[in-house]
Amino acid sequence: DSGVTQTPKHLITATGQRVTLRCSPRSGDLSVYWYQQSLDQGLQFLIQYYNGEERAKGNILERFSAQQFPDLHSELNLSSLELGDSALYFCASASGQGGLSSTDTQYFGPGTRLTVL
Amino acid sequence: AQSVTQPDIHITVSEGASLELRCNYSYGATPYLFWYVQSPGQGLQLLLKYFSGDTLVQGIKGFEAEFKRSQSSFNLRKPSVHWSDAAEYFCAVATPGGSYIPTFGRGTSLIVHP
Repeated sequence: DSGVTQTPKHLITATGQRVTLRCSPRSGDLSVYWYQQSLDQGLQFLIQYYNGEERAKGNILERFSAQQFPDLHSELNLSSLELGDSALYFCASASGQGGLSSTDTQYFGPGTRLTVL
Repeated sequence: AQSVTQPDIHITVSEGASLELRCNYSYGATPYLFWYVQSPGQGLQLLLKYFSGDTLVQGIKGFEAEFKRSQSSFNLRKPSVHWSDAAEYFCAVATPGGSYIPTFGRGTSLIVHP
């Protein structure tokens, strides 16, 4: 158990809909990272938040957005869903904001499997 | 930009046999290198990482990896595989001094025969 929790575990929805995925980081971790894992694209970094502020952005679509709240949990919002958005969405947390710290290891949650029909 | 290649999509070994999973990276300098394991239905777990120093890195679950600058490789090894090692293995690279965002390989699926 990594200490990172994600809800829900599974989500089935229809095209055009909007969903929210939730992540609670490990106690004391200030950074939250979101990843998408699909058969087509493999594992891709979407976005990182550190202590409530956006820190780094990867291959995140404009239809997707995220935020990190004062209690450090994070939500990933996916809107106007398409069939191709079906994937496993992972959240990871780390203590620091990245950079040169050699102790900054990411701990991954179990993921949310999104199916768009 | 950095990239990482895992040439083997699937690897099959017998229980008790030795294992080597290949990883090659592309980056101008020495990157940060990682190996993660993903068991069925689970998230990723860090096995080991290389930042600097000794090029032979020891990880959890009896795994080790060796950084070879001349070959741009960071291969994962285990002397004796257990059935519970069957999983997906991901190599990742990150840029030192950057935002520490790893780029992942496509993964190698390890199948263990009894």
